[in-house]
Amino acid sequence: NAGVMQNPRHLVRRRGQEARLRCSPMKGHSHVYWYRQLPEEGLKFMVYLQKENIIDESGMPKERFSAEFPKEGPSILRIQQVVRGDSAAYFCASSPPPNQDTQYFGPGTRLTVL
Amino acid sequence: QKEVEQNSGPLSVPEGAIASLNCTYSDRGSQSFFWYRQYSGKSPELIMFIYSNGDKEDGRFTAQLNKASQYVSLLIRDSQPSDSATYLCVGGGGTSYGKLTFGQGTILTVHP
Repeated sequence: NAGVMQNPRHLVRRRGQEARLRCSPMKGHSHVYWYRQLPEEGLKFMVYLQKENIIDESGMPKERFSAEFPKEGPSILRIQQVVRGDSAAYFCASSPPPNQDTQYFGPGTRLTVL
Repeated sequence: QKEVEQNSGPLSVPEGAIASLNCTYSDRGSQSFFWYRQYSGKSPELIMFIYSNGDKEDGRFTAQLNKASQYVSLLIRDSQPSDSATYLCVGGGGTSYGKLTFGQGTILTVHP
């Protein structure tokens, strides 16, 4: 049973470009979460999604960031017009229903903004 | 606002000793607690979860929860150099299911 998959593992963007991060949950998991870990800081919740629904986006920055989990395909975290402060590790996690709190993490995408 | 505080660390113990990691939390509504291990440059790995007051043992790991004191701990017996990592205390549940709150982590070093 494959774990949570994320791609790309490393992403380099110049300021002003767009970054798209993908996450495929573990088989049988229908809940997806995105977390961000800034350098030398702890993980911070960003958003919680189920298929075609955003359940909790209280941790998402108000501008430039969006997330989706379509009926088919992976979850996407999209960052428009990236700035240097967006450089971080972005982790996706998934959980099986009905236990939303027992979350398993993917390997992460390391975003570097030049 | 939910907060999870890990006050100890960095922690250094000799191989074979017991490592004791602690954290406190502020949200009395939190229902579930987790310990994740994170090696440098890697993703968090779930090692223990606990929902009820008392102790829960899994191999060399024992998690303890005291809801009255809002206190969570992790004991690692017979510590090995491979246990050297950052340990993250995490709170979940309450009114925000799915939204985990991470402590800042405790760096554990087990020296031979």
